[in-house]
Amino acid sequence: EDKVVQSPLSLVVHEGDTVTLNCSYEVTNFRSLLWYKQEKKAPTFLFMLTSSGIEKKSGRLSSILDKKELSSILNITATQTGDSAIYLCAVPATGGFKTIFGAGTRLFVKA
Amino acid sequence: DGGITQSPKYLFRKEGQNVTLSCEQNLNHDAMYWYRQDPGQGLRLIYYSQIVNDFQKGDIAEGYSVSREKKESFPLTVTSAQKNPTAFYLCASSIDRDRGRGYGYTFGSGTRLTVV
Repeated sequence: EDKVVQSPLSLVVHEGDTVTLNCSYEVTNFRSLLWYKQEKKAPTFLFMLTSSGIEKKSGRLSSILDKKELSSILNITATQTGDSAIYLCAVPATGGFKTIFGAGTRLFVKA
Repeated sequence: DGGITQSPKYLFRKEGQNVTLSCEQNLNHDAMYWYRQDPGQGLRLIYYSQIVNDFQKGDIAEGYSVSREKKESFPLTVTSAQKNPTAFYLCASSIDRDRGRGYGYTFGSGTRLTVV
């Protein structure tokens, strides 16, 4: 059965800290892995990682895909209170119509 | 601005009552999806639709029904057969099914349903 597992489930840090969020997957015919940020209600897209694009960076956020280990990490440096959110990892499953989401990591950044 | 609108934001349902959650998009997207989000669990697919007048069951379709009479609209009905409906419901759309594989998802702001 296809699955996506994220860790930790929750994390509390102080402003300025660096955090690493983990995502592991078992999905047949893997093509891509996605990261979303869910601040209040609607998840918003952060990154898509594929075999041809295993590392992405945007400002203080970066993500790496490790196809050998079937995993990905999302790094946030110099965290700010505005980074407080649920971070979702997702992998489109075989067939294309379904995307498997992890349970998410709830990050809380203290001022 | 284009986007997805879900309504209502909060909904209370009595035992044995059917309720309908609205999802409207003006993005001209072909594919639309309904997900359920529970604490500590990932988003789970309830139903999806690739084109008008067509929809398919997802992983947890029991107790739910949908319709897709218009491209812009994909309402979800939570029936009395759904034994544990309290959850956060997210609607999403993508340009087409293939784009839905990746960054093409646009999400609505969700409806929080509570059984009272």
